[in-house]
Amino acid sequence: SAVISQKPSRDICQRGTSLTIQCQVDSQVTMMFWYRQQPGQSLTLIATANQGSEATYESGFVIDKFPISRPNLTFSTLTVSNMSPEDSSIYLCSVEGSQYGTDTQYFGPGTRLTVL
Amino acid sequence: QKEVEQDPGPLSVPEGAIVSLNCTYSNSAFQYFMWYRQYSRKGPELLMYTYSSGNKEDGRFTAQVDKSSKYISLFIRDSQPSDSATYLCAMKGGTSYGKLTFGQGTILTVHP
Repeated sequence: SAVISQKPSRDICQRGTSLTIQCQVDSQVTMMFWYRQQPGQSLTLIATANQGSEATYESGFVIDKFPISRPNLTFSTLTVSNMSPEDSSIYLCSVEGSQYGTDTQYFGPGTRLTVL
Repeated sequence: QKEVEQDPGPLSVPEGAIVSLNCTYSNSAFQYFMWYRQYSRKGPELLMYTYSSGNKEDGRFTAQVDKSSKYISLFIRDSQPSDSATYLCAMKGGTSYGKLTFGQGTILTVHP
């Protein structure tokens, strides 16, 4: 399975500020995904990041709030902008494709964000 | 109605019990079916995945998919305290690089 790291692992932020989360995978992958897991709830896809093109956002998520970069095949960032307490969640990246196949996705350890 | 329904539990069983976890879904386009295990404060760990209908076994774990009923199951035999976690079912359509749709997760506790 994929070896995926995320930074930071957790953070506590003030409302109105922004946080950039990094996701690094040990091998080149075609697609990277960003999910949100709100307290006590399941995972919801924010956006899909393909290297060399704009990220594709799911309904309810917009680029101004969650800008994403995908500069190469092993790295992506998600920024949570102008944060409010409602953004307190676990943010997870996942990967699919290349040596890891396209049948499923592998997840990173997550970034636990608390907004005060 | 949610696309994927999963009983959130919590489910508490004694060590050695057989555990049955289930999900139902409404989208007939789903072709790939996954089970993830998530320990507290960790990311989801892929346990098993299957394509279309059928059974798949891996050690103490068996995944079943019944597309005619839109129903999937994960069975855990000889459950151990280390199996205590949240179990998430997830599904995606037949195209590559598709979004996963998750159930809400079942919290399982296996007590010694």
